[in-house]
Amino acid sequence: DVKVTQSSRYLVKRTGEKVFLECVQDMDHENMFWYRQDPGLGLRLIYFSYDVKMKEKGDIPEGYSVSREKKERFSLILESASTNQTSMYLCASSPKQGLVTEAFFGQGTRLTVV
Amino acid sequence: SQQGEEDPQALSIQEGENATMNCSYKTSINNLQWYRQNSGRGLVHLILIRSNEREKHSGRLRVTLDTSKKSSSLLITASRAADTASYFCATRRDSWGKLQFGAGTQVVVTP
Repeated sequence: DVKVTQSSRYLVKRTGEKVFLECVQDMDHENMFWYRQDPGLGLRLIYFSYDVKMKEKGDIPEGYSVSREKKERFSLILESASTNQTSMYLCASSPKQGLVTEAFFGQGTRLTVV
Repeated sequence: SQQGEEDPQALSIQEGENATMNCSYKTSINNLQWYRQNSGRGLVHLILIRSNEREKHSGRLRVTLDTSKKSSSLLITASRAADTASYFCATRRDSWGKLQFGAGTQVVVTP
């Protein structure tokens, strides 16, 4: 079974903390994504990576950064967590551009910033 | 603006009934995908329909696509309690594979 694994299902962090969300995929996919999901807003793309060390801002990158040092791992970093970053975070991967295929999602990390 | 808006936002049905939800999108597409999300979980891919297809089936799922109206529908036949979930349509935003999701349709199937 193909798998995208997020390091935590639930996280509670304090305002101002630096937060790391980790995502690992075992499908040798080139593309990896971080989305944020909030009620009524659907999924919004935070960052996208199409190769190791390559990244591209999505729709809502402010307050976030990412790291992709290895193909299988894509990390989302909240530099200084704020309460408005309380949300469900979803990591996904897919094969490289041009292929008609689906994205595979992790189980999600529900982050609460207090 | 969102590419891929689902309708209705919420749907409540009884087991055995059919559930239909619709998705509208704004720009031309190569394909459209439907995903399911169980409460508090990640999304799972259900079905992909290409722009040159009008209808596709997978088990109890039936998807239609009308590119002239820029709309798609997902029909779940003979629904079960396990079908309780949120359903999202998604379209590709670019050749890299980024997907644009709508806000989803929340389906509740009661026994």
